[in-house]
Amino acid sequence: GQQVMQIPQYQHVQEGEDFTTYCNSSTTLSNIQWYKQRPGGHPVFLIQLVKSGEVKKQKRLTFQFGEAKKNSSLHITATQTTDVGTYFCAGIKDSGGGADGLTFGKGTHLIIQP
Amino acid sequence: DADVTQTPRNRITKTGKRIMLECSQTKGHDRMYWYRQDPGLGLRLIYYSFDVKDINKGEISDGYSVSRQAQAKFSLSLESAIPNQTALYFCATSQWVNEQFFGPGTRLTVL
Repeated sequence: GQQVMQIPQYQHVQEGEDFTTYCNSSTTLSNIQWYKQRPGGHPVFLIQLVKSGEVKKQKRLTFQFGEAKKNSSLHITATQTTDVGTYFCAGIKDSGGGADGLTFGKGTHLIIQP
Repeated sequence: DADVTQTPRNRITKTGKRIMLECSQTKGHDRMYWYRQDPGLGLRLIYYSFDVKDINKGEISDGYSVSRQAQAKFSLSLESAIPNQTALYFCATSQWVNEQFFGPGTRLTVL
């Protein structure tokens, strides 16, 4: 079955440092989504990438979708304490028709030290 | 009011008991999902439904069943709960393949 690998599992950074999490799929994806889960909370949608090579920005967050549509990354510039949480990527296999559910990566826990 | 609600929010039960987790949504979405979250394992899909007449098994459906009573309601049942089903359970909804909206979660403990 489809697998979505996400690294690193944990990332400790000093406040103000940058952070990147990477996502790799065993199969070509039709799209990829990113979610953030705050401690004790539920996953909240951040963004969806659809096109090969797509890059999208949300303030300090930059999302990329690989040319082969099998990998993606999330980069946060100058982390703040409000960025703490777990970041998940989730992909839909490119089988056409949108007939599959999302497959989530295991997430990257971002821990920020003031 | 929350768009996706789950009941109960917390439940402690004993091995062998039948338990039902309920999910309701007011977003008018066709698609609904059940996930479980375990530390270090991320979110794993249990079942999903693309409309009232459509039910699909996810990655880890063994030991679970679901019912889509209406467009707005999707319930998850554990016929005979076992301790390794202790987890955080999330319901989610979406319209087509767009973003998923998650409920607040149900923390289930099976003793």
